[in-house]
Amino acid sequence: GAGVSQTPSNKVTEKGKYVELRCDPISGHTALYWYRQSLGQGPEFLIYFQGTGAADDSGLPNDRFFAVRPEGSVSTLKIQRTERGDSAVYLCASSLRGDRAHEQYFGPGTRLTVT
Amino acid sequence: QKEVEQDPGPLSVPEGAIVSLNCTYSNSAFQYFMWYRQYSRKGPELLMYTYSSGNKEDGRFTAQVDKSSKYISLFIRDSQPSDSATYLCAMSANTGFQKLVFGTGTRLLVSP
Repeated sequence: GAGVSQTPSNKVTEKGKYVELRCDPISGHTALYWYRQSLGQGPEFLIYFQGTGAADDSGLPNDRFFAVRPEGSVSTLKIQRTERGDSAVYLCASSLRGDRAHEQYFGPGTRLTVT
Repeated sequence: QKEVEQDPGPLSVPEGAIVSLNCTYSNSAFQYFMWYRQYSRKGPELLMYTYSSGNKEDGRFTAQVDKSSKYISLFIRDSQPSDSATYLCAMSANTGFQKLVFGTGTRLLVSP
């Protein structure tokens, strides 16, 4: 079946602008995660959703970052007043619940470049 | 100090070699241990996961977890050029919805 999809694949924006990154999880997966991967590093957790609610947003670096999942499926990560340090690959993952919850399946990522 | 340590490599081996990739960790609460493979400009792909200590085998891949030493390994037998990628270890503490904590990844190069 279809995997996790993310759009856009690449986004170049100017410092100070607002961006939205979209994630479409695997059908039937109730959990959705956002991670950020900087060059030469492993992914770092940002936020996860159980259904529509953010169950853990402890990884969001500051209040410029916000994410929503209004209908429990597609999610949007929103970044306000972008800074050059926000440049990274933003990865989305989804999983089933219960004892399969640790099997997280990742999308291809959105490469964000802030100039 | 990071919760999960992984040698970034690169690790270069000839085709057919046995590859050993390793991670150490400091958080004794970790119970689920995953290995992901990531090709350049792609998302991480789940290879294997192990719960608690022990071994797990899947084809040419074997995952080992030693919780007493806080040390995990991934072995690749009969390595192929197509195995050239970055290998990321990841861990989580409990069942249910849990964030993964990743190592930095080890870049593996398998030459024909």
